[in-house]
Amino acid sequence: DTAVSQTPKYLVTQMGNDKSIKCEQNLGHDTMYWYKQDSKKFLKIMFSYNNKELIINETVPNRFSPKSPDKAHLNLHINSLELGDSAVYFCASSHPGTADTGELFFGEGSRLTVL
Amino acid sequence: AQKITQTQPGMFVQEKEAVTLDCTYDTSDPSYGLFWYKQPSSGEMIFLIYQGSYDQQNATEGRYSLNFQKARKSANLVISASQLGDSAMYFCAMGLGQNFVFGPGTRLSVLP
Repeated sequence: DTAVSQTPKYLVTQMGNDKSIKCEQNLGHDTMYWYKQDSKKFLKIMFSYNNKELIINETVPNRFSPKSPDKAHLNLHINSLELGDSAVYFCASSHPGTADTGELFFGEGSRLTVL
Repeated sequence: AQKITQTQPGMFVQEKEAVTLDCTYDTSDPSYGLFWYKQPSSGEMIFLIYQGSYDQQNATEGRYSLNFQKARKSANLVISASQLGDSAMYFCAMGLGQNFVFGPGTRLSVLP
């Protein structure tokens, strides 16, 4: 029973298209995240939600819009895809306000390739 | 600003030997957590070990231990008796409040 699950795992699309990645966690966590891992393996936070409320919104283009319908789900929608958006996107979750005491649980990652 | 530095882009170690992966961090917050994650070529992120800023003893988990030197702001990962399956990217991370900041990673290659 997967704790943090993302779909799809692979996504290949053309420039200019719009795509979404879905994430669900069954750990009962209140806090969920989206991280981007680029081709050099750098992991950078994009967004963080706590119980459906946006709490971290790093410098990310407006084309990226997260949506949290409930605390177990955090989806990522990307408009007008660009070549530079090609990356692996990781969803993650943790207990709220405990980044200093509890680890981050990651999904398997979604590899996005923009042609 | 919070920052994690991993100065070793790549490391090699002979099978069955021990290896230390370096990590230094920067924060003025007194309460934080330090984590190590492993990312094999298959891509998933695997949690290895955790050290709290107030913990007096170094954390250990099986073959993994974390050498925590608070005054030097370092949290090095020690892997004992390396195995071929340990070949992977290793990320050091710091948790503060509701954010986790990651270092650039070290690619470890275990040689037979």
